Amino acid sequence: QSALTQPASVSGSPGQSITISCTGTSSDVGSYNLVSWYQQHPGKAPKLMIYEGSKRPSGVSNRFSGSKSGNTASLTISGLQAEDEADYYCCSYAGSSTPVVFGGGTKLTVL
Amino acid sequence: QVQLVQSGSELKKPGASVKVSCKASGYTFTSYAMNWVRQAPGQGLEWMGWINTNTGNPTYAQGFTGRFVFSLDTSVSTAYLQISSLKAEDTAVYYCARGTVVAATFDYWGQGTLVTVSS
Repeated sequence: QSALTQPASVSGSPGQSITISCTGTSSDVGSYNLVSWYQQHPGKAPKLMIYEGSKRPSGVSNRFSGSKSGNTASLTISGLQAEDEADYYCCSYAGSSTPVVFGGGTKLTVL
Repeated sequence: QVQLVQSGSELKKPGASVKVSCKASGYTFTSYAMNWVRQAPGQGLEWMGWINTNTGNPTYAQGFTGRFVFSLDTSVSTAYLQISSLKAEDTAVYYCARGTVVAATFDYWGQGTLVTVSS
């Protein structure tokens, strides 16, 4: 069982916006603004899309944004494109004993 | 440009050992920690732990103690993951990832190494 809870799947049509949630606890997501998000296409390595909750690495489209409320972090993708179809994983710092926890992943389908 | 290049796929029998390498280039190797992440077939990402590339001190996540060893050869900017007494359930893609554990941020990843354990 994954430490962070994500929906198994979400879908949207091209041009629409979707949001993927990532629910943790007061020991991880709720305590730190240190959530990152990764995009993974089939057979490829994960790619960092968002870090420290809402920051985008250089080269990542501004269609991707991150936020947090309480114990839940969210990734929003606006203006959906076919190339956004992939698996998305959230990740959070969780303190010194178990520093890093991942979510179970969400499969995004662009209809 | 930053690159992490991992060794190729491995097919091993139960009980054997395997050593996966991750060669870094395009940055100062000792300036960033190296992490290892496992992905079992059809499953999600699982953080295995990290190694301090300055001191060589490894930290293992729960479930990855005993049979898993992280090591370095800083002279060739390479990190290693060795798994001993392999079991069928170790079958997975193993990734190295440069990053900052305290920020849970992994900015560059290797291409992954598939380790298959089968008799």
